[in-house]
Amino acid sequence: AQSVSQHNHHVILSEAASLELGCNYSYGGTVNLFWYVQYPGQHLQLLLKYFSGDPLVKGIKGFEAEFIKSKFSFNLRKPSVQWSDTAEYFCAVGFYTGTASKLTFGTGTRLQVTL
Amino acid sequence: EPEVTQTPSHQVTQMGQEVILRCVPISNHLYFYWYRQILGQKVEFLVSFYNNEISEKSEIFDDQFSVERPDGSNFTLKIRSTKLEDSAMYFCASSEAPGTSLAYFGAGTRLSVL
Repeated sequence: AQSVSQHNHHVILSEAASLELGCNYSYGGTVNLFWYVQYPGQHLQLLLKYFSGDPLVKGIKGFEAEFIKSKFSFNLRKPSVQWSDTAEYFCAVGFYTGTASKLTFGTGTRLQVTL
Repeated sequence: EPEVTQTPSHQVTQMGQEVILRCVPISNHLYFYWYRQILGQKVEFLVSFYNNEISEKSEIFDDQFSVERPDGSNFTLKIRSTKLEDSAMYFCASSEAPGTSLAYFGAGTRLSVL
């Protein structure tokens, strides 16, 4: 079965620090890759996605992620975090099962940014 | 920007009661999904729905669960006899097409089973 691993469960950073959140998946076929963010009390929002093409994708709010196929990884990065980035971040991998798209989510990483 | 709407935002029910969670997907979308997130755990796929039938379901989606598109706009998840372990955030999502199409998520319904 497909699985998604997020190795960092809780990350605490000071404002202006750089961020990298790891995401690895297990599936040998074609995948679509997503990072979602969930701010406290709010719904899941898409940060960025990768379907094909340039493996370095840029998303909203200064986030970017790099797809490294050989490592089955899709790590999320941001050069300088802000207090408002405090949220939970979910990596998700999309598979097409033949009848529908299915997203498998990682367990999430809680990011806490301190002033 | 189009969005998926879920109601209610918080549902409290007694164990053994039936609950219906409602969702209004984006109007031109054809594929609908329910996911859930138990507190502190990851988001889990429950079921996908297309052309008025279930296209895929997970092990979690047992006989206690059912989905329906009762009219042209709503998509519902029914839990027939709720258990304590059904307490979770339930997310509805919709997409225009499968494959590379992006799924849009609603804000979620928090279900509390007492």
